[in-house]
Amino acid sequence: ETGVTQSPTHLIKTRGQQVTLRCSSQSGHNTVSWYQQALGQGPQFIFQYYREEENGRGNFPPRFSGLQFPNYSSELNVNALELDDSALYLCASSLLRQGYTGELFFGEGSRLTVL
Amino acid sequence: TQLLEQSPQFLSIQEGENLTVYCNSSSVFSSLQWYRQEPGEGPVLLVTVVTGGEVKKLKRLTFQFGDARKDSSLHITAAQPGDTGLYLCAGELDNTDKLIFGTGTRLQVFP
Repeated sequence: ETGVTQSPTHLIKTRGQQVTLRCSSQSGHNTVSWYQQALGQGPQFIFQYYREEENGRGNFPPRFSGLQFPNYSSELNVNALELDDSALYLCASSLLRQGYTGELFFGEGSRLTVL
Repeated sequence: TQLLEQSPQFLSIQEGENLTVYCNSSSVFSSLQWYRQEPGEGPVLLVTVVTGGEVKKLKRLTFQFGDARKDSSLHITAAQPGDTGLYLCAGELDNTDKLIFGTGTRLQVFP
């Protein structure tokens, strides 16, 4: 039990639709990172939010966007869904201090299937 | 191009055998972490190594950070079925405060 909760746990969408995934971070953490994990592969970094601002982005197109709220919870939005967006989306919270990433605490993920 | 390559990609062994998983990169990392992920769950941190050449032990697991902080290894002694899972290394590039994950090694230990 990491204290990080994600919703929904599973969802099915069709191509072209939009999706919003949600994440509640662990108490005391100020940073949320989002990762996309294809089946059997390592997580790919999408972006990170620190104190409500985007703090770095991986190699993902602009149709992947996010938000972080004052309580440090976060949303991942994906527009114009494509078949290749089917994956497990992981949220990880952490306490970011200067020069030190710290341990990431992961939620159980949201499994998105795009048909 | 994947920044962190892990090998082997798959490993299937009998209980009691030893194994080593490698995590390699051409980039230098300020720290490197190892995670284990089980089906239907998020990755869980096993260890963090920070200093080049550092060795850490966690029961039957031994982790080493390369001298140049570009690579790492995980050695498991006398593997147990409970060790089965996806092992992931993750490195923090200098001064970026972000973790980049490796390609993963899927380990299956048979009784």
